[in-house]
Amino acid sequence: DTEVTQTPKHLVMGMTNKKSLKCEQHMGHRAMYWYKQKAKKPPELMFVYSYEKLSINESVPSRFSPECPNSSLLNLHLHALQPEDSALYLCASSSRREMNSPLHFGNGTRLTVT
Amino acid sequence: GNSVTQMEGPVTLSEEAFLTINCTYTATGYPSLFWYVQYPGEGLQLLLKATKADDKGSNKGFEATYRKETTSFHLEKGSVQVSDSAVYFCALVPDSSYKLIFGSGTRLLVRP
Repeated sequence: DTEVTQTPKHLVMGMTNKKSLKCEQHMGHRAMYWYKQKAKKPPELMFVYSYEKLSINESVPSRFSPECPNSSLLNLHLHALQPEDSALYLCASSSRREMNSPLHFGNGTRLTVT
Repeated sequence: GNSVTQMEGPVTLSEEAFLTINCTYTATGYPSLFWYVQYPGEGLQLLLKATKADDKGSNKGFEATYRKETTSFHLEKGSVQVSDSAVYFCALVPDSSYKLIFGSGTRLLVRP
């Protein structure tokens, strides 16, 4: 079982909908990440939170809005998405105590925008 | 810049065959190197890692050695199983960075 839990597993939404993806970890990690993965491609970094503060935004469109309410939770708010935003959205966490500590990934939310 | 290059897939093998998936990297300084595996319908799992030159990472029968002289981190397994069928990603974290950089991934299919 993965130690990073993502909900929902699947999400279908229209272009005018507002929805949120949720991620939770209880490993005491202080860095949390959102990645987007298209079919047959590697994951692409979207956002990084370090100690609950946004530290990296990889020029992601504003229709994606991340939020880190506390050290265990990470949300991704979605609004006015496009069909090309359909993808697997992966959350990950890592310890900040070591610069090169590995990322622990959740199983992802498979998003379909209609 | 920093980048990772993996061999194109898919790689198709019979059960108990020897596996090599090539990975080379470009990075300044001393990056940490990783192999992640993604089974169908799942997220990525860390398979093994190496943080300095000549380190050997190993897990579940898989091995990879950090070769700085050839900037490589090839993944090997002596005898693959059908359950090893998955996509394998080589990745690095550059020196003094938290950003994980992935290769394009290599799909492995093991036939009974």
